[in-house]
Order: sequence, then structure tokens, then C-alpha cells
Amino acid sequence: DAKTTQPPSMDCAEGRAANLPCNHSTISGNEYVYWYRQIHSQGPQYIIHGLKNNETNEMASLIITEDRKSSTLILPHATLRDTAVYYCIVRLRVYSGGGADGLTFGKGTHLIIQP
Amino acid sequence: DTAVSQTPKYLVTQMGNDKSIKCEQNLGHDTMYWYKQDSKKFLKIMFSYNNKELIINETVPNRFSPKSPDKAHLNLHINSLELGDSAVYFCASSHRARGTDTQYFGPGTRLTVL
Repeated sequence: DAKTTQPPSMDCAEGRAANLPCNHSTISGNEYVYWYRQIHSQGPQYIIHGLKNNETNEMASLIITEDRKSSTLILPHATLRDTAVYYCIVRLRVYSGGGADGLTFGKGTHLIIQP
Repeated sequence: DTAVSQTPKYLVTQMGNDKSIKCEQNLGHDTMYWYKQDSKKFLKIMFSYNNKELIINETVPNRFSPKSPDKAHLNLHINSLELGDSAVYFCASSHRARGTDTQYFGPGTRLTVL
């Protein structure tokens, strides 16, 4: 799986949009971008994933650049409960033989939502 | 309904003991995993188990062994516990047969070895 780079920490005001960047310049065409988060003392939680198109679900939006070398996770209206470590992970598609070996977590971005 | 559950939530034991942590998923998934999160908060994959295929992270000591009595369970057995085994252990599951790699995690088991 391709390596990712994220800022170690970010602050965001409550109610504002939180934009978390991720660089994955060596991503291949068969690799997805996944985002997970870990709220203090809890198990990691899946947020969203995408291949090349932008994606949106009830939790967040994922914007992937046209060259796929970077992406941004957007939490549209951050709340205090969104304070967590956010992990950007690049994964080989299951249909291309990926996924069998578990997720490789980096250090992530510690997002702190300020009241 | 809890999707991925683990027991116990906390486990305190002495060095040299043998212990087990249980994991159950009610999502109908075909792949289960064990991760270890150490005191520095690094999360690392230990095992992946799918349809009797076990993939082991080469850094995991052979004192650790996963046991799967059925597709819904993947228990973690640890022999001769050492101080360095103290960590939070997370179980997870996914359904690779559906072509998805999305993993769902349990709440974790905090193991303390004295």
C-alpha cells in the first residue's frame, strides 16, 4: 500500500468546516483512499473512502485531486465530538488482491475542535 | 446491537500467565483481524483471518495465536505474558467477498501485565 503523509495536528472552531489534508503521491490506479478516526479510548471508526471521484456520506466529504496524489477529508460542521485522531490510509482494491493483510495506520492527524 | 464485541474490556494479569481475549462479530463478515495499540498509540496489525487463511504479521511473537471456532469469532490467545504485551488490543472485521475493505472495530481490550 502507498505511503501517506498527514499533518500531526490541527485545530478547528466548533461549527466550522474541518478540512484534513492527506498526501499520497505514490498511489496507484488500483488503490483506494480510506479515512478512519479514533476518538479517545475507542476503537477506530470508518468514515469514508473513494477511488477517484469525490464522495459524500452522512459523516463527511472526501475530495480527491484529479491526479489522485492528495485528498482532503471535510467535516462540514465540526462538533466537539469530532475531536479525534484521523487516519488517511491507501489500500489496494480487494478485487486486485488487496485487503487481506489488515490496515497500516500511520500517526494520523490529531484534530482538536475548539468550543 | 453491537457489531463487533470484545471481552473482557479490561484484563490485569501477572507475567508468565496465559490469557485469552474473545471477539465476536454479528455482521456476517468473512474476515477478522487483531490489532495492537501500544502506549505510544501506534496501531499495528497482528493477524488477519479469512476462510481458514491466516496472515500473520512477522513481528508478532509466536506466544500469540488466534483461534477461530467459527466465522463469527476470532479469539486471541497469549501464552507466557510479558510486560511488553501491555497494550490495547482491537478486534475488527470486514467482508472481502463483497469486494469491500471497510473494517469495523470493536471497543478494545486493555491488557495490563504486572
